[in-house]
Amino acid sequence: GAGVSQSPSNKVTEKGKDVELRCDPISGHTALYWYRQRLGQGLEFLIYFQGNSAPDKSGLPSDRFSAERTGESVSTLTIQRTQQEDSAVYLCASGSGLAYNEQFFGPGTRLTVL
Amino acid sequence: GESVGLHLPTLSVQEGDNSIINCAYSNSASDYFIWYKQESGKGPQFIIDIRSNMDKRQGQRVTVLLNKTVKHLSLQIAATQPGDSAVYFCAEKVAGTYKYIFGTGTRLKVLA
Repeated sequence: GAGVSQSPSNKVTEKGKDVELRCDPISGHTALYWYRQRLGQGLEFLIYFQGNSAPDKSGLPSDRFSAERTGESVSTLTIQRTQQEDSAVYLCASGSGLAYNEQFFGPGTRLTVL
Repeated sequence: GESVGLHLPTLSVQEGDNSIINCAYSNSASDYFIWYKQESGKGPQFIIDIRSNMDKRQGQRVTVLLNKTVKHLSLQIAATQPGDSAVYFCAEKVAGTYKYIFGTGTRLKVLA
């Protein structure tokens, strides 16, 4: 079946603008994660959704960052008033929600803030 | 596309040799570990996993070793091939949560 998809693949924006990044998880996956990956670095956890539970937002770096998920499907990550330090690849992953199962990653959205 | 791992530690191996990539994890309460491979411009791809009640797990050409005493994880790749060139990340799951902590990554270069 189809894997995790993300859109857009690339986004260039001006400092101060808002951006929305989209993630379509694998159908049936109840768990959904957002990560940030700066150039040459590892993955930084941002937020986690699991079914109808309250999301774990502990990784969001500031109140400019927010994310929503509609049921067990699409998720959007919104960054308001973008700053140059927000430039990174934003990766989405989905999983079965079971305790010991892998996450499946999308290709990421590369965000460049000018 | 996005270039991953410009400033990461690099391991260079000859094609056909075995590779060992190491990872020190952070939390003694972590109960599940995964190795991922990330090629330039792509998302991480699952390689192999291991639960904390195991010391070793083998897959096709890959073996993961877990040493809980020193909080160390390693990935062994047998007969390394050019297609193995990528950045490799370890990830740990903290027990009782669904949160994963990723290591900083190691770039593997396979020399022909």
